[in-house]
Amino acid sequence: GENVEQHPSTLSVQEGDSAVIKCTYSDSASNYFPWYKQELGKRPQLIIDIRSNVGEKKDQRIAVTLNKTAKHFSLHITETQPEDSAVYFCAATGGSQGNLIFGKGTKLSVKP
Amino acid sequence: NAGVTQTPKFQVLKTGQSMTLQCAQDMNHEYMSWYRQDPGMGLRLIHYSVGAGITDQGEVPNGYNVSRSTTEDFPLRLLSAAPSQTSVYFCASSYSNLAGPNEQFFGPGTRLTVL
Repeated sequence: GENVEQHPSTLSVQEGDSAVIKCTYSDSASNYFPWYKQELGKRPQLIIDIRSNVGEKKDQRIAVTLNKTAKHFSLHITETQPEDSAVYFCAATGGSQGNLIFGKGTKLSVKP
Repeated sequence: NAGVTQTPKFQVLKTGQSMTLQCAQDMNHEYMSWYRQDPGMGLRLIHYSVGAGITDQGEVPNGYNVSRSTTEDFPLRLLSAAPSQTSVYFCASSYSNLAGPNEQFFGPGTRLTVL
């Protein structure tokens, strides 16, 4: 079945710097790759997603890139702010029903 | 719209007890799922449903049962609670995946402790 690896597990940056989180997946049939942000004690919330027919997508300070050949995708956050501090999860679809398989998460800390 | 709701928010059980975690959505979503979240493990799929009357197992189904009698509700039953089931449980829903995957909306979670 699908396996999603996420790196790094923790990331600390200075306010204003960029942050990059990388994920790899195993199932070449995966066609949907969302990123979720989870603040402490809260539910995961979608921040950006990309489908397999697109190589890059951007939404203000957040961008996601997808390399289907290498089976990896990345989240890029520019001009980081303290409110970006949270745990970020990548996911990829697995199986015939399109279930999401999640990475183990990256704890991002943005220091003022 | 209330979105996805879950009850209770917190629960403490003794080993061997049974209970049902409730999940409801008012967005007319066909797809519903249950995840458990453990420290350092991400979100793992327990069971899912693609529509009323249809359920299937996810990655970690052992010790849990589900049913889907209506589009709105998707309860998760713990048959005989074990300490290994101590976790935070999230319910999620989305529009049908038949035409391709869609954004999943998560409920607020239930924090379960089994003593």
